[in-house]
Amino acid sequence: KAGVTQTPRYLIKTRGQQVTLSCSPISGHRSVSWYQQTPGQGLQFLFEYFSETQRNKGNFPGRFSGRQFSNSRSEMNVSTLELGDSALYLCASSLGAGLAGFGVYEQYFGPGTRLTVT
Amino acid sequence: SQQGEEDPQALSIQEGENATMNCSYKTSINNLQWYRQNSGRGLVHLILIRSNEREKHSGRLRVTLDTSKKSSSLLITASRAADTASYFCATDAWKGGSNYKLTFGKGTLLTVNP
Repeated sequence: KAGVTQTPRYLIKTRGQQVTLSCSPISGHRSVSWYQQTPGQGLQFLFEYFSETQRNKGNFPGRFSGRQFSNSRSEMNVSTLELGDSALYLCASSLGAGLAGFGVYEQYFGPGTRLTVT
Repeated sequence: SQQGEEDPQALSIQEGENATMNCSYKTSINNLQWYRQNSGRGLVHLILIRSNEREKHSGRLRVTLDTSKKSSSLLITASRAADTASYFCATDAWKGGSNYKLTFGKGTLLTVNP
């Protein structure tokens, strides 16, 4: 089975621009979560999508948004980029969303997209 | 603020030695997971331990959980240079409904010298 893929792998943007990152989950996985990783704040949860619905959201400003398509592929968008948005953005897919009464679903992470804002 | 805090922040050992990393957390949890991340890459799931378990093994990995102390430890035995990576603990504090998420610590950077 192919793993989680993220595109692009590297991106350089200028302050004020917007960016869209893409994540293709493992085949059959319906949940996609997004995380931001920076040296200062570590790994922080952005949001989770399951069956095209956002089920959970972290503490990020509204400039960060996402969506999920019917094939479970997900995109996240960051508008009006700031220097502090420079980070590694990771997505993870799993069979289900959270506990859902069936136990914890293991998350499989993609290699990430390295975003640099100048 | 981070739910899980790993200790130490960095650890350097020789190949063949054992490596122990600790994780402390603040609120009650359902599960605790350990992940590994090689330099600048995605995370790899290592092991999950449930709140009603005290110890779990997987190959050269041994994880313990002490819910009374709100802490966990990851032991890697007979370390190899390939174990060089950052190790993160992740906790969940699901209280019902759809509000489920993992909270990661800042990680321990393990360097295994050949």
